Formats: sequence, C-alpha cells, structure tokens
Amino acid sequence: AQKITQTQPGMFVQEKEAVTLDCTYDTSDQSYGLFWYKQPSSGEMIFLIYQGSYDEQNATEGRYSLNFQKARKSANLVISASQLGDSAMYFCAMREGYGNNRLAFGKGNQVVVIP
Amino acid sequence: DGGITQSPKYLFRKEGQNVTLSCEQNLNHDAMYWYRQDPGQGLRLIYYSQIVNDFQKGDIAEGYSVSREKKESFPLTVTSAQKNPTAFYLCASRETDLSTEAFFGQGTRLTVV
Repeated sequence: AQKITQTQPGMFVQEKEAVTLDCTYDTSDQSYGLFWYKQPSSGEMIFLIYQGSYDEQNATEGRYSLNFQKARKSANLVISASQLGDSAMYFCAMREGYGNNRLAFGKGNQVVVIP
Repeated sequence: DGGITQSPKYLFRKEGQNVTLSCEQNLNHDAMYWYRQDPGQGLRLIYYSQIVNDFQKGDIAEGYSVSREKKESFPLTVTSAQKNPTAFYLCASRETDLSTEAFFGQGTRLTVV
C-alpha cells in the first residue's frame, strides 16, 4: 500500500503568490515524522520542513509552513511569496514509528514559478 | 565540511556488467539509504542500513546488492540481474532520532548503453 500520496498535477504559480502542495499519508503508528524536500533540476534533495506526529502546532520554517491535519492524515506544504528559485519538484516523506529508520517518499509535486 | 558524497556523478555501463556506486558520509550517521528515481517519478527505496554490518531490503531490491562494512560507507552494486538499471540514484544518511531529516548526496546518473 502506498504510504505517501501526492496526486496534484504540475502547477504554475505566479511569483509572489502562495502555493499549497497536498500530501496525504497512511500509517497505523502513533509516532511518526513527516518531511518535505525540494528537488531542483540539478537533482539534489533539499530538506525544507519537519512535522512530528505529537507536535501540536504546525511547523514553520521561513516561507514554508506545514498544514498538519492529523485526523485527516494530511500534511500539506504551503510556500508563501513564491520566488523564481522555488521552481522544483517537491517531495513529501514519512518516517514511521520509533526505532524504524525507513523513509517513504511520495511521487512529488512539480512547481513552476512564473514571473 | 560534513556531508554526504556520491561518486561518480555520471556513469555509463554496458549491458551485462556489474557496476558499483559509491556513497560516503562524514556526518557520523547510523542510518544510510539508497533510492532510485526514474524520470517524473518519486524516490523508491532500494536498500537501507541502520547500523554497520546490517542492512535491509527496500521496495525494489531485486538486482541490487549493498554492503555496510564501515559506518561512513554504503556502496550500491547494480548487478546484471537488474533489468532496467538506467536511472538516477540517490544516497542518503540520517541520525536515528525520529525528528532528524535525511541528508542526500548529489546523486549518480547511471545509463546503460
């Protein structure tokens, strides 16, 4: 079964606007961690933000925020004030349980920021 | 500087040959991972290792082999049994704590010719 689901088609975003990238996950564990990564065309994976399953507040890191809805098992990434350099693939990932180091990734969301 | 290094960046292989991709980290991380990425697709887990001398199969381990003889090194061998090896391969490492992110290498693009 797919653990992480990212189903949005590629998105065009106007510079300076906000964009929301959807991510839903599937786990029966109570303790887990959710991550978002950015992959520009050069290929490297850049860590953006982390949300723990027990964190009561949504995570924020600069222009990135994570809209965590635990009951719905969703962890959407919000990028505010988009910049041209935000054009990339964005991947949602999950680490299940404690002591289990396995990371599962979604298929990614393509974002293109246009001036 | 601390980080994770993959080499080579580009690799060409003839059909029927084995090839080994290098992954080295100096972050003192316990866990290391190998992922495969195909064009327009997400990352699929090939193998991962939580400690030295131990590793587990991921979702697509067939046709691949790994070793973890040293904490800092986790080489991946793409064998001739892998039917479609052309892909982008990413190595990652992380600490074992729940909250820590994985650090990735720059990737190796393997092409079978």
